[in-house]
Amino acid sequence: NAGVTQTPKFRVLKTGQSMTLLCAQDMNHEYMYWYRQDPGMGLRLIHYSVGEGTTAKGEVPDGYNVSRLKKQNFLLGLESAAPSQTSVYFCASSYSPGGFDEQYFGPGTRLTVT
Amino acid sequence: QQQVKQSPQSLIVQKGGISIINCAYENTAFDYFPWYQQFPGKGPALLIAIRPDVSEKKEGRFTISFNKSAKQFSLHIMDSQPGDSATYFCAARKGGGNKLTFGTGTQLKVEL
Repeated sequence: NAGVTQTPKFRVLKTGQSMTLLCAQDMNHEYMYWYRQDPGMGLRLIHYSVGEGTTAKGEVPDGYNVSRLKKQNFLLGLESAAPSQTSVYFCASSYSPGGFDEQYFGPGTRLTVT
Repeated sequence: QQQVKQSPQSLIVQKGGISIINCAYENTAFDYFPWYQQFPGKGPALLIAIRPDVSEKKEGRFTISFNKSAKQFSLHIMDSQPGDSATYFCAARKGGGNKLTFGTGTQLKVEL
């Protein structure tokens, strides 16, 4: 199993450009999450999904959109990138609702917005 | 608003020593408290976790101590090794969605 994979690994954008980050998991997990990690701020939840076709806002959703058209994929979109969105983005997944389930993280995408 | 406060921000420990990282929370609705370990260039990975109905959980050299009345929990790493050098995040889960609120992280360096 590959676990959680993220594409791309690195990206540089100019202010105002758009891009989509792809997360894929092969563990048949129901729940998926997008976080951003910034120095001194830990990991902050952007959006999450509790199943195919569903999405919900997390702690810092502004400027981002997500889609979960297939159970195994969770896409994060930036419609008009801003320098404040320079960060490392992590995707995670977990198995099921209700239990104390481990979140499995991908390797991250380092995004720089100039 | 930082719902989970973590300290210290960085920590240097000698090989064989004890590393202690502390976290405090405010929201009594949190029901699960995991610790994640992150090596440079990698995603976080679950290290150990505790439910609030127990006061301590030990797995090998890693122990979580949990004080429900004080709303505090801590990670103890016994016999710290250079391979333990990483960033450690405490977290807390609140019910539906299995959503985690993370602390700000502690960068641990274990020196020879």
